[in-house]
Amino acid sequence: DAGVTQTPRHEVAEKGQTIILKCEPVSGHNDLFWYRQTKIQGLELLSYFRSKSLMEDGGAFKDRFKAEMLNSSFSTLKIQPTEPKDSAVYLCASRDNANTEVFFGKGTRLTVV
Amino acid sequence: AQSVTQPDARVTVSEGASLQLRCKYSYSATPYLFWYVQYPRQGLQLLLKYYSGDPVVQGVNSFEAEFSKSNSSFHLQKASVHWSDSAVYFCALSLPSGTYQRFGTGTKLQVVP
Repeated sequence: DAGVTQTPRHEVAEKGQTIILKCEPVSGHNDLFWYRQTKIQGLELLSYFRSKSLMEDGGAFKDRFKAEMLNSSFSTLKIQPTEPKDSAVYLCASRDNANTEVFFGKGTRLTVV
Repeated sequence: AQSVTQPDARVTVSEGASLQLRCKYSYSATPYLFWYVQYPRQGLQLLLKYYSGDPVVQGVNSFEAEFSKSNSSFHLQKASVHWSDSAVYFCALSLPSGTYQRFGTGTKLQVVP
């Protein structure tokens, strides 16, 4: 069974560009999460979906960050426009339900120059 | 609001020594608690979890953790560390009602010869 797949693994963007990160959750999982990871802030929630419905939207990230679940097996995170402070690792994770383990992808390292 | 605190940003131990990584949580009731490990350029991997019952939980690779309601803590322990245990360790909590996981800022463990 494949785990959570994130693409690309690395992304370099110029300030002001639009970038789209992709995530395929574990097959059959109902919950999907997007986190941003930085050394200073640690893991911060960007979005949480349950059965494709948005349950939580990280308040500080609403203006330029938009996550979508196009279907139960694919999600995207759009950052528009990018800023240098967005440089971080973006992690996607999924789980079957609230009482089960969360599986993480390997992340996308974004560098905005 | 619920939160997790890992007071030690870095811990250095000698190979073969015992280990304790500290985690304190803030929540009015008993949350679900987790420990994850992250190796370089990888996602987070679950070490162990606590939902209820026996306060001492066993995890992978001989890690264990003890839940203390009175101290609001969930410390991770290992009797004898190996150099391959060098990584970043995250404590996390979620609510039984089913929400996203909230993470501590992580503790970087370095095991030295």
